[in-house]
Amino acid sequence: AAGVIQSPRHLIKEKRETATLKCYPIPRHDTVYWYQQGPGQDPQFLISFYEKMQSDKGSIPDRFSAQQFSDYHSELNMSSLELGDSALYFCASSAGQGDEQYFGPGTRLTVT
Amino acid sequence: AQSVTQLDSQVPVFEEAPVELRCNYSSSVSVYLFWYVQYPNQGLQLLLKYLSGSTLVKGINGFEAEFNKSQTSFHLRKPSVHISDTAEYFCAVSDFSGGYNKLIFGAGTRLAVHP
Repeated sequence: AAGVIQSPRHLIKEKRETATLKCYPIPRHDTVYWYQQGPGQDPQFLISFYEKMQSDKGSIPDRFSAQQFSDYHSELNMSSLELGDSALYFCASSAGQGDEQYFGPGTRLTVT
Repeated sequence: AQSVTQLDSQVPVFEEAPVELRCNYSSSVSVYLFWYVQYPNQGLQLLLKYLSGSTLVKGINGFEAEFNKSQTSFHLRKPSVHISDTAEYFCAVSDFSGGYNKLIFGAGTRLAVHP
């Protein structure tokens, strides 16, 4: 069965650079969530989209922005990267309200 | 606001022994509850979920959990663990008060199974 696809899987950037993370949800899933998991931490919700509109917002820095496109894939744009942004970024998708969220394998971002 | 407390940060156990990973939640509204497992350098895999109905939920890999509304708990159990169960386990809650609902995770419990 198709799963959530995230690209790239690994990304190394320098401080103050920009990064773009991509998420391709499971076909027919209309909701996408982004989570950030710092080293040794639990995943923290960043932002979610339903039908291309932002549906909820968590602890996402102003330096980050995200959107969901017409084909339901989503991109997380991160600017002015800081060392503290180094983390595993997960995307999850679901088919509707309260439904199970299926997680992608994550993108490991390292900021040097 | 919702929150999740996993009472043990680490649980060491011998192979074939039973294990219980504890999870308590707080919420002013009805919730959905989940347990996820994360193997080293991997993503999150759903073990089981409670949405409604029977309070005893069975999941994959022989795990089960019991929802206790009065104690606001959702403890995870397995009667006999294997070395391969060594991983980080996260309890999570999601409310369905409206909208498309984020998961709030606990801090995680590291299960270490020893031979």
